Amino acid sequence: SYVLTQPPSVSVAPGKTARITCGGNNIGSKSVHWYQQKPGQAPVLVIYYDSDRPSGIPERFSGSNSGNTATLTISRVEAGDEADYYCQVWDSSSDHAVFGGGTQLTVL
Amino acid sequence: QVQLVQSGAEVKKPGASVKVSCKASGYTFTSYGISWVRQAPGQGLEWMGWISAYNGNTNYAQKLQGRVTMTTDTSTSTAYMELRSLRSDDTAVYYCARPLAVAGPFLYYWGQGTLVTVSS
Repeated sequence: SYVLTQPPSVSVAPGKTARITCGGNNIGSKSVHWYQQKPGQAPVLVIYYDSDRPSGIPERFSGSNSGNTATLTISRVEAGDEADYYCQVWDSSSDHAVFGGGTQLTVL
Repeated sequence: QVQLVQSGAEVKKPGASVKVSCKASGYTFTSYGISWVRQAPGQGLEWMGWISAYNGNTNYAQKLQGRVTMTTDTSTSTAYMELRSLRSDDTAVYYCARPLAVAGPFLYYWGQGTLVTVSS
């Protein structure tokens, strides 16, 4: 089955840029979606189809996908961005959704 | 507005079964599938499977095949997830979720989650 690999943690100072990666075999050929999850809450979609933002998500959130790595970029990081972030793809070969292991973003 | 409201927390003994409900409102229930996702304490998200509310077709994660059944009741716009032969590692928050578009590959609307605790 398809595997997505994320770093367990990323730390960034307020106002700086955070980059969270999601690795997978030829992931650039798939559509990648990103979720933000704060403690005790359900996940919230922040990026879909690699780089589209749902309404209500700040422009500071952006995404890219190429080769074997997809990246979620958060510009001008704020304390409120501290959360767990998960990447997700739909694996057409198994017709299953696959989540990455998640990355905990810490704002220093 | 679209809402998914799940049933309350459950405590079950090992070997028992649990059935979690997810009542949908604010849209035509039969036009969208419902996915179920679980999250063990301190762990990541795990996709459990999907059911079409249109025709009842299902697609389960291989890991749960044989222990999970997903159903819908179109008369009440409610989806159900039943998990049998519960083990301690089934302790988790269980979420139902719906894509933004019909047959969309990502999940936009989420229920509030249902904590299922498996303990003797």
